Amino acid sequence: GAVVSQHPSWVICKSGTSVKIECRSLDFQATTMFWYRQFPKQSLMLMATSNEGSKATYEQGVEKDKFLINHASLTLSTLTVTSAHPEDSSFYICSRQGAPQETQYFGPGTRLLVL
Amino acid sequence: GESVGLHLPTLSVQEGDNSIINCAYSNSASDYFIWYKQESGKGPQFIIDIRSNMDKRQGQRVTVLLNKTVKHLSLQIAATQPGDSAVYFCAESSLSGYALNFGKGTSLLVTP
Repeated sequence: GAVVSQHPSWVICKSGTSVKIECRSLDFQATTMFWYRQFPKQSLMLMATSNEGSKATYEQGVEKDKFLINHASLTLSTLTVTSAHPEDSSFYICSRQGAPQETQYFGPGTRLLVL
Repeated sequence: GESVGLHLPTLSVQEGDNSIINCAYSNSASDYFIWYKQESGKGPQFIIDIRSNMDKRQGQRVTVLLNKTVKHLSLQIAATQPGDSAVYFCAESSLSGYALNFGKGTSLLVTP
């Protein structure tokens, strides 16, 4: 069964609004979770590493003030897309991993469409 | 920068045939490799992984081969079925880190 869930599975919002996406680790207390973005017919690009109890680590080119990550508990990480623009429309996927070189399991993804 | 890439963007095979999906990586520090399957509109699904101290690993109908000399990774799917139709990604990481670097993906289409 699924070990990572995401909510919502899809969301449509108006330009300028903020959208929160939740990622839950269902079977494991994950101190580290990851957020990826995937554009159509492209690969997954790591956006940031979400660290429980501390600040997220963002990849180069990802605006930390635009993509707010909160990892307040060992089973929940949230990604908030602030002041969303149409170019933020994408498929956002989270994952969790127990330790380096352990299997990284992915959530089902959240489709965001910004009008 | 260094990246993981795939030789073929699309692969069409007949049902029952074997499929081989290839992947090249350039980071010599990579020592953990994973294959994921992604169906349309879904998150990636783990298929099989291999560490750099191995050159072959088998799962159910799948085999991963690792050639560190030429930095090449392949996924072999035996007796390909329509349900195998998806995009397949290779990914790599190094001992010290969690982060996965994904390749571009190969779309596998299984025809009856």
